[in-house]
Amino acid sequence: EVQLAESGGDLVQPGGSLRLSCAASGFTFTTHWMSWIRQAPGKGLEWVATIKQEGSERYYADSVKGRFTISRDIAKNSLYLQMNSLRAEDTAVYYCARRRGDVWGKGTTVTVSS
Amino acid sequence: DVVMTQSPLSLPVTLGQPASISCRSSQSLVYTDGNTYLNWFQQRPGQSPRRLIYKASNRESGVPDRFSGSGSGTDFTLKISRVEAEDVGVYYCMQGTHWPWTFGQGTKVEIK
Repeated sequence: EVQLAESGGDLVQPGGSLRLSCAASGFTFTTHWMSWIRQAPGKGLEWVATIKQEGSERYYADSVKGRFTISRDIAKNSLYLQMNSLRAEDTAVYYCARRRGDVWGKGTTVTVSS
Repeated sequence: DVVMTQSPLSLPVTLGQPASISCRSSQSLVYTDGNTYLNWFQQRPGQSPRRLIYKASNRESGVPDRFSGSGSGTDFTLKISRVEAEDVGVYYCMQGTHWPWTFGQGTKVEIK
């Protein structure tokens, strides 16, 4: 069964850092683009970042560029999102998704608050 | 950025009746490879989004055939031929043609 499982969400203070992980299973991880998409409480969906198969190309939303880094570990079948300089407006459920959203995880919650 | 505009934002429907959601983009969604990367997602209360339609009109495996997508260029539609109780939730269009990928605001479907 194709599955994505996010982890790493937590309560963090403004200015702090957090690393999210997404474990992929049931498919050939190396052959697919992977993305992070977030949803603030009571709000709509916002694309955050995408990484292509070999990791050579990465794309970011302007709202996170320079603060967040998307990466992948082929050996561990895992996707990551390193989040630095966190702000209150980064508070959201973060989903990892395959390709253009054909598979989603259940999400992990990030809360940025003092 | 490509702006995706959905209408209506709220859609009360009667069980068994049809429903239609419009999604308009501020630029053509035809990619250089000839494909139109317009997706429709359903998000039921308390659940992750689920893709219903990809490339404007292709239904995902396992999606009931009462859901259909149509449109081209900048104008797209999601139709539910006969609404069932399990269809309650928020529906989003998303374009994956231009960076950054962008979503519509969402349309909340509820039963009258």
